[in-house]
Amino acid sequence: AQSVTQLGSHVSVSEGALVLLRCNYSSSVPPYLFWYVQYPNQGLQLLLKYTTGATLVKGINGFEAEFKKSETSFHLTKPSAHMSDAAEYFCAVNAGGSYIPTFGRGTSLIVHP
Amino acid sequence: SQTIHQWPATLVQPVGSPLSLECTVEGTSNPNLYWYRQAAGRGLQLLFYSVGIGQISSEVPQNLSASRPQDRQFILSSKKLLLSDSGFYLCAWTRPAGDDEQYFGPGTRLTVT
Repeated sequence: AQSVTQLGSHVSVSEGALVLLRCNYSSSVPPYLFWYVQYPNQGLQLLLKYTTGATLVKGINGFEAEFKKSETSFHLTKPSAHMSDAAEYFCAVNAGGSYIPTFGRGTSLIVHP
Repeated sequence: SQTIHQWPATLVQPVGSPLSLECTVEGTSNPNLYWYRQAAGRGLQLLFYSVGIGQISSEVPQNLSASRPQDRQFILSSKKLLLSDSGFYLCAWTRPAGDDEQYFGPGTRLTVT
């Protein structure tokens, strides 16, 4: 069984501030973990993913995430927010060769000037 | 390179009318295909997935059906639309192994009036 919890349905930051979006997962086997971004009226696109190896993963647009097995977390960060980062962010987990990933409910990132 | 197409982009249909949404993938073979729905302000709901031609798995019993008449074509249908069918419909594909990242189409915005 697998599950994902995204803490906070909305996160608000000022332009230039640190972005931290939280994701905790549950999986009975080693997971593959993903962060996707969705801009209004568009499909989701992959930001980054963790499968095996290095636990700090770098993605597009300056985002990165760290897989912490002991904390069952995969939080998404970016040192300095841009207005263009305003979007919906989804964390997802897939484990054990499953065909069906489990998505979190999403976090809306709001960036203030 | 691989691309995924969805049409139409927007659709307004009266209650009780039929529905057909189409999704096609180019540049890959034997993909796994998925239909999701997003209601306003909510997360992703998996509706159907398919691991091969003619193979459809339904995740949620409802007013919709899906078909896969060709390897890279996935169709979402309804005989009679309900108001509750309104939402943003997303098609996605993964490589045959299934546990890798999902590639999403641009989506169809359906409004049932």
